[in-house]
Amino acid sequence: GAGVSQSPSNKVTEKGKDVELRCDPISGHTALYWYRQSLGQGLEFLIYFQGNSAPDKSGLPSDRFSAERTGGSVSTLTIQRTQQEDSAVYLCASSLQAPRGTHGYTFGSGTRLTVV
Amino acid sequence: GENVEQHPSTLSVQEGDSAVIKCTYSDSASNYFPWYKQELGKRPQLIIDIRSNVGEKKDQRIAVTLNKTAKHFSLHITETQPEDSAVYFCAASINNDMRFGAGTRLSVKP
Repeated sequence: GAGVSQSPSNKVTEKGKDVELRCDPISGHTALYWYRQSLGQGLEFLIYFQGNSAPDKSGLPSDRFSAERTGGSVSTLTIQRTQQEDSAVYLCASSLQAPRGTHGYTFGSGTRLTVV
Repeated sequence: GENVEQHPSTLSVQEGDSAVIKCTYSDSASNYFPWYKQELGKRPQLIIDIRSNVGEKKDQRIAVTLNKTAKHFSLHITETQPEDSAVYFCAASINNDMRFGAGTRLSVKP
């Protein structure tokens, strides 16, 4: 697609429920990143996928968080047993295949998650 | 750990004035430095970037300068306009990773 597409744009869920957030990167971008941004805060790294390599999961805050990337394209971020502190905007970004950190990112519009 | 420090955290200027945001990094091997602009409720967007083989890059009213010796880089916005109001994030490639600064909230007063 022309840009990074994320869905849903907004999600309100009850505490304890599971949620799935989807990211469709730019065609041809093999690097995919998930970040979290709490209100008025900076960008918190969650997970990085590059091609068929093992993902860098070092930013996931707990074992309730997991992510998959099927077929080297679409990625799903799953949060199990959501807590109120999970409320944030979840941003996905993609970039060209290259050594990590050598090209700019294109961000999606994000999913605003609210846990009530 | 190795991070990117960004200053100031907030910046308020009058329309038409210049704005400067500074970032420092710790890894002398860092070689790529992008800047992102995030308007309220929108996605961060890449506005300019610089690689370590150049010292300055300009694009209309914005410019970025890089001092490799001192390990700092800066974003310069001239003739600021209200639509420049946003949060600006710097970033640097560190240890085969991209590290972001904490952001600067720029307000341009008409």
